[in-house]
Amino acid sequence: GAVVSQHPSWVICKSGTSVKIECRSLDFQATTMFWYRQFPKQSLMLMATSNEGSKATYEQGVEKDKFLINHASLTLSTLTVTSAHPEDSSFYICSATPVASGREQYFGPGTRLTVT
Amino acid sequence: DAKTTQPPSMDCAEGRAANLPCNHSTISGNEYVYWYRQIHSQGPQYIIHGLKNNETNEMASLIITEDRKSSTLILPHATLRDTAVYYCIVSPSTDSWGKLQFGAGTQVVVTP
Repeated sequence: GAVVSQHPSWVICKSGTSVKIECRSLDFQATTMFWYRQFPKQSLMLMATSNEGSKATYEQGVEKDKFLINHASLTLSTLTVTSAHPEDSSFYICSATPVASGREQYFGPGTRLTVT
Repeated sequence: DAKTTQPPSMDCAEGRAANLPCNHSTISGNEYVYWYRQIHSQGPQYIIHGLKNNETNEMASLIITEDRKSSTLILPHATLRDTAVYYCIVSPSTDSWGKLQFGAGTQVVVTP
């Protein structure tokens, strides 16, 4: 149980285009989902917290107009990287906290974004 | 700011117990200790968490000192598949967002 999926697993896009990444909790409902970014040889950096039915809360330094987050249901959150640039190339990872437990977070497998 | 201190790396022999230390000297009374691990190019995996008491599950044991200023994650019989970066994180129980701030972690390499 407690499986989180992400789609796509990897994507290559051209500079200036937008990319949408989906995060789904497959066997549980998640009121809260989180989005992280990880650059090579670095640790995960929390980007934003997403709550179903409300606006996302962004960490300091993360541009909310560039990284659009939508959490339309208890099992789906999406991250859209708008007007992507090469410096946005990174490993994007989501996580979800089950409504039932509220303690541990379960992470998706990540999405590798390369902007050319 | 990171609230935990972990050694950057450690080696462990396959089949032996791996003891991973973590210092969290500024932990407050309502903060839990969480352990996650990340195998290369994958999303992190939840291992275990605890508040005051020692905890054990199918993956590992968590030993928290009485003053809660440090803890040890124990992998009882390390396998090659346990090679990963292990993160010790403290997070407040009253924080409904459950934010996790990852530090640098400990790179554990299990050798045959």
